Amino acid sequence: DTAVSQTPKYLVTQMGNDKSIKCEQNLGHDTMYWYKQDSKKFLKIMFSYNNKELIINETVPNRFSPKSPDKAHLNLHINSLELGDSAVYFCASSQEGGAGEKLFFGSGTQLSVL
Amino acid sequence: KNEVEQSPQNLTAQEGEFITINCSYSVGISALHWLQQHPGGGIVSLFMLSSGKKKHGRLIATINIQEKHSSLHITASHPRDSAVYICAGATNKLIFGTGTLLAVQP
Repeated sequence: DTAVSQTPKYLVTQMGNDKSIKCEQNLGHDTMYWYKQDSKKFLKIMFSYNNKELIINETVPNRFSPKSPDKAHLNLHINSLELGDSAVYFCASSQEGGAGEKLFFGSGTQLSVL
Repeated sequence: KNEVEQSPQNLTAQEGEFITINCSYSVGISALHWLQQHPGGGIVSLFMLSSGKKKHGRLIATINIQEKHSSLHITASHPRDSAVYICAGATNKLIFGTGTLLAVQP
């Protein structure tokens, strides 16, 4: 009965491959996010979607393409994976997308690019 | 220099001690979030505040808008409080601090 669930939890892949991370929330929230956490635990926003519409795109390489089929899902597709893409990726959601709203996070996907 | 700075970066305490983690920001924000990340990796929102003080159990968060500073206090610390604590300033997006790794020893 997880509020924000993302899969897979671990993803190990070779450079140059294409991979996807899926995220679903059952909270009825309008806004979903993707965050990247580097090896020093520093979090940074990548994308936010409100009701399937892209709101924030934080100078993320074009190899990263978020897709929101409906407001409960925000998937992250990554093309031509590079070593520097290795990180933990967190999906999150909030009610309407106001910066002052509480965020609910998924458990993270640890991506390792070899 | 990061727009949101935390101190200390690492903190070791003995069980029962009073703990303070500080967060300073240099941008205009509408709210300040405190998050907790346990060793297992999951992130939980602890507080969101735009003024004054909030308390939840042994955790207290305060913010001083004029000084652009927030603190997270933990009273009667316990080993289960060991985690990374992250503050984040809310503009049109969240700007995260670098985190404070807290280890509470029994």
